[in-house]
Amino acid sequence: NAGVTQTPKFQVLKTGQSMTLQCAQDMNHNSMYWYRQDPGMGLRLIYYSASEGTTDKGEVPNGYNVSRLNKREFSLRLESAAPSQTSVYFCASLLTRVTDTQYFGPGTRLTVL
Amino acid sequence: AQSVTQLDSQVPVFEEAPVELRCNYSSSVSVYLFWYVQYPNQGLQLLLKYLSGSTLVESINGFEAEFNKSQTSFHLRKPSVHISDTAEYFCAVSRVGGSNYKLTFGKGTLLTVNP
Repeated sequence: NAGVTQTPKFQVLKTGQSMTLQCAQDMNHNSMYWYRQDPGMGLRLIYYSASEGTTDKGEVPNGYNVSRLNKREFSLRLESAAPSQTSVYFCASLLTRVTDTQYFGPGTRLTVL
Repeated sequence: AQSVTQLDSQVPVFEEAPVELRCNYSSSVSVYLFWYVQYPNQGLQLLLKYLSGSTLVESINGFEAEFNKSQTSFHLRKPSVHISDTAEYFCAVSRVGGSNYKLTFGKGTLLTVNP
């Protein structure tokens, strides 16, 4: 049982390049989330998926797209990376509101030059 | 909408000293409250949470937090800290009820425990 996994762990992009961050969970959780963490800003929600087949915008969705590929996987895509998207990205998952505990992946550290 | 204010961005303390990390929230509806901890170069882990019942909640490693509805606070305390408690601590809230579940995080408090 690996929990929440994220790939890659590190990535360096040039401005304008695109990439997809992958997230998978093996806990049969219904909801999945993408956050970005910046110094002094805490975690800010980018997008979330309350259940398979649904996605919704969070606090800072501009410049990102997501795909809930199936119940296990939730990917985050940067179509045209910008230096402002340099950040650490965390994926999280949640079983149901009964537990109310989000489980986080180890993060992806992205640098956009 | 909910918001969370962590009043201290950094808290340095000496080993075995007591510590309090402060958290205040704002919400027009009832909320659940959480403290998450992030050790260096890791993801976040749940430390403790308040959903209902007793307003004093405890973690397995000696931290406790008390929900104070009148003061809209959820401060985190530990009577005696260890070097291994050095980490960043995040307070978070979610609204009670509703069809989707989202956490709103504070900006974090970096706890540094010195020998």
